[in-house]
Amino acid sequence: GEDVEQSLFLSVREGDSSVINCTYTDSSSTYLYWYKQEPGAGLQLLTYIFSNMDMKQDQRLTVLLNKKDKHLSLRIADTQTGDSAIYFCAESVASNTGKLIFGQGTTLQVKP
Amino acid sequence: NAGVTQTPKFQVLKTGQSMTLQCAQDMNHNSMYWYRQDPGMGLRLIYYSASEGTTDKGEVPNGYNVSRLNKREFSLRLESAAPSQTSVYFCASIGNSYEQYFGPGTRLTVT
Repeated sequence: GEDVEQSLFLSVREGDSSVINCTYTDSSSTYLYWYKQEPGAGLQLLTYIFSNMDMKQDQRLTVLLNKKDKHLSLRIADTQTGDSAIYFCAESVASNTGKLIFGQGTTLQVKP
Repeated sequence: NAGVTQTPKFQVLKTGQSMTLQCAQDMNHNSMYWYRQDPGMGLRLIYYSASEGTTDKGEVPNGYNVSRLNKREFSLRLESAAPSQTSVYFCASIGNSYEQYFGPGTRLTVT
């Protein structure tokens, strides 16, 4: 079945770059997503990438997709303390239902 | 636009009690979803409704029922709550753009 895997924790210093990695199994996924969850809050869509793209950049965020290896990464440049949160990777299931499969989430800790 | 709203925000139930979690969206989206979030497990899909009048099981449907009351509203019912259903429940909806919007969540504790 479909599965999405992420490392559970990442700690960086303020001003450094953060790279959060994700692997997925469904090669027919149409879209891959990154969501951010702050403590006690719901999920906020950060960015998504269509499966025929290799890279997408949006201000401080860069998403890289290696479709051959089924590997997705999110790079946050100049990481700030406000970036501390849980980041979820998700893949769309190959259908028109809009169903998503989520990873376990990576907790990003940004130290001042 | 309020986006996706959920009520209640918090709830404590005793084992065996029933309750309904409410969700509404004002974005005219066709598809709506219920997820549960447990520590270290990400979000798991309970039920979804691809369009008004249809519902389908997700990954973890046991112990739950849903109703798509109209295009705006999608409710989740626990008929006989169990401690294993202690979780944070999120409702979401999606339009044509593949962007899934989430509500703020309901934190449920079953004792």
